Amino acid sequence: DAMVIQNPRYQVTQFGKPVTLSCSQTLNHNVMYWYQQKSSQAPKLLFHYYDKDFNNEADTPDNFQSRRPNTSFCFLDIRSPGLGDAAMYLCATSRDIGTSYEQYFGPGTRLTVT
Amino acid sequence: AQSVTQLDSQVPVFEEAPVELRCNYSSSVSVYLFWYVQYPNQGLQLLLKYLSGSTLVKGINGFEAEFNKSQTSFHLRKPSVHISDTAEYFCAVRLIQGAQKLVFGQGTRLTINP
Repeated sequence: DAMVIQNPRYQVTQFGKPVTLSCSQTLNHNVMYWYQQKSSQAPKLLFHYYDKDFNNEADTPDNFQSRRPNTSFCFLDIRSPGLGDAAMYLCATSRDIGTSYEQYFGPGTRLTVT
Repeated sequence: AQSVTQLDSQVPVFEEAPVELRCNYSSSVSVYLFWYVQYPNQGLQLLLKYLSGSTLVKGINGFEAEFNKSQTSFHLRKPSVHISDTAEYFCAVRLIQGAQKLVFGQGTRLTINP
């Protein structure tokens, strides 16, 4: 089945130690998104790629970066994680062509910062 | 800017009872509307969407929602709930023209009691 895959599902990192979260998709969608979801809150968009074009949200901290080396893969880099960055990180994709505008979500990576 | 208000943070109901989860949105331009469900430690799954046409839309798992433009609402309903419907439900909007981002409501935790 076509899907959105996130690795790892659970990640523990130390305060200030860089960490990278991975997302891949087999849907061949042109748009990929990264969301941060803290406990009992709605997902908050950090940034998205429309094809190769990077779109950062105005309130996303500089500590968060992203790379999209090809259509299938997208990475979230947290340069110096703080305790406040502990959250579920959700990757999503969409195909903004035609009439289907929903986003397809991966299972998420739960990040713990110690 | 768009915003979404889910009027109930928690909704407890008994199994086989009907349920309505309320969602109101604010936008100066036309939007698409979505309901997503999130089971514990999982990503979001699309329940249903309203893009155009009939204001009553049917989704997966027996859920349906009605778009009411005059009241700017998109309430989710199910005539008879099951224990397996216990989850967090998110209402979301996105612009028809322009940015692809989803704006989520704060979520409603649906708890089904036997």
